[in-house]
Amino acid sequence: NAGVTQTPKFQVLKTGQSMTLQCAQDMNHNSMYWYRQDPGMGLRLIYYSASEGTTDKGEVPNGYNVSRLNKREFSLRLESAAPSQTSVYFCASSVSPALGETQYFGPGTRLLVL
Amino acid sequence: QKEVEQNSGPLSVPEGAIASLNCTYSDRGSQSFFWYRQYSGKSPELIMSIYSNGDKEDGRFTAQLNKASQYVSLLIRDSQPSDSATYLCAATGGLGNDMRFGAGTRLTVKP
Repeated sequence: NAGVTQTPKFQVLKTGQSMTLQCAQDMNHNSMYWYRQDPGMGLRLIYYSASEGTTDKGEVPNGYNVSRLNKREFSLRLESAAPSQTSVYFCASSVSPALGETQYFGPGTRLLVL
Repeated sequence: QKEVEQNSGPLSVPEGAIASLNCTYSDRGSQSFFWYRQYSGKSPELIMSIYSNGDKEDGRFTAQLNKASQYVSLLIRDSQPSDSATYLCAATGGLGNDMRFGAGTRLTVKP
């Protein structure tokens, strides 16, 4: 039981390049989330998927797209990376989007955009 | 105005002391509150959740919630060096699946 896994662990991109961050969970959770964490800013929600087949914007969605591939997998795509997207990206999952449900986090992907 | 605010610290306490971490939130519709611990370079892990006014205890940790004052706190008794980490306060924004996090308070427990 690996919980929430993310790939890659670390990535360096040049401005304008694209990439996809992968996330998978093996806890049979319905809901999945993508956050970014910047110094002094805390975690900010980029996109979430309340259940398979649905996705919605969070607090900071600009410059990102997501795909809920199936119940297990939720990917985040940067179409044209910008230095402002340098951050640590965390994927999380929960049983449901209901109030009070605990979110479990993956190990994170550190992204540097030059 | 940030929706969830925490003292950024750093907070330093001696081993064995009580560490007190504070958090305020602006959305009166928030109903669920969480404390996560994050070691440097690691992902957040849940310590406590609290939904009702009052205290909730779990081992050395006590979470306190006061919805009237829009205030959440975390007390760590008998602090250990292994408690040294950044503590994140989080609240649901009332929408069910939109959690807001504070910037975190860095705690250092000195032996």
